[in-house]
Amino acid sequence: EAQVTQNPRYLITVTGKKLTVTCSQNMNHEYMSWYRQDPGLGLRQIYYSMNVEVTDKGDVPEGYKVSRKEKRNFPLILESPSPNQTSLYFCASSLSTGRSPLHFGNGTRLTVT
Amino acid sequence: DAKTTQPNSMESNEEEPVHLPCNHSTISGTDYIHWYRQLPSQGPEYVIHGLTSNVNNRMASLAIAEDRKSSTLILHRATLRDAAVYYCILRDWGGSNYKLTFGKGTLLTVNP
Repeated sequence: EAQVTQNPRYLITVTGKKLTVTCSQNMNHEYMSWYRQDPGLGLRQIYYSMNVEVTDKGDVPEGYKVSRKEKRNFPLILESPSPNQTSLYFCASSLSTGRSPLHFGNGTRLTVT
Repeated sequence: DAKTTQPNSMESNEEEPVHLPCNHSTISGTDYIHWYRQLPSQGPEYVIHGLTSNVNNRMASLAIAEDRKSSTLILHRATLRDAAVYYCILRDWGGSNYKLTFGKGTLLTVNP
């Protein structure tokens, strides 16, 4: 089944403890991206990647890192999480054409205390 | 990057048509118009997309203005399962900017 898989689904952590949220897709998509969703603010893009080793900042990249060493994986790294990064995170992927639909994961709800 | 503007919320009755508008006055010639929806507690899902001509699929229809500065997502007969947040976005592959801006979308309420 074609899908985007995020792990974990839920994560509670403490301020400053490094964490990684994984994202994997099995559709051979070139394009992958991360979003955060907060009440009243909609979906905001954190980082995106056009292909292996090619990443760029979205609208809210501060406090996050990403890597794209393999085509299927696009992990989101929080080196030193803070409470303002408490949010619902979504990973998405697509082929690298404007007419290609985005496929989203089921989300990761992160709480930083 | 081109932005879209949508109403914050709309309301409809079950089994009636729903027209969800989206303005994108700064759209470029290489922008595709995409629509997604997000059901409660789920990730967004693709609904439909188009470039210049109107489009139909099993979920909805997309009507695109002749000048492409606006579009309308049409749900022909709303059901309770269509209650969701609907997002209109532009995907530009003509240049080097691949940022995607979703915004807040339109919250559709469907009354039984």
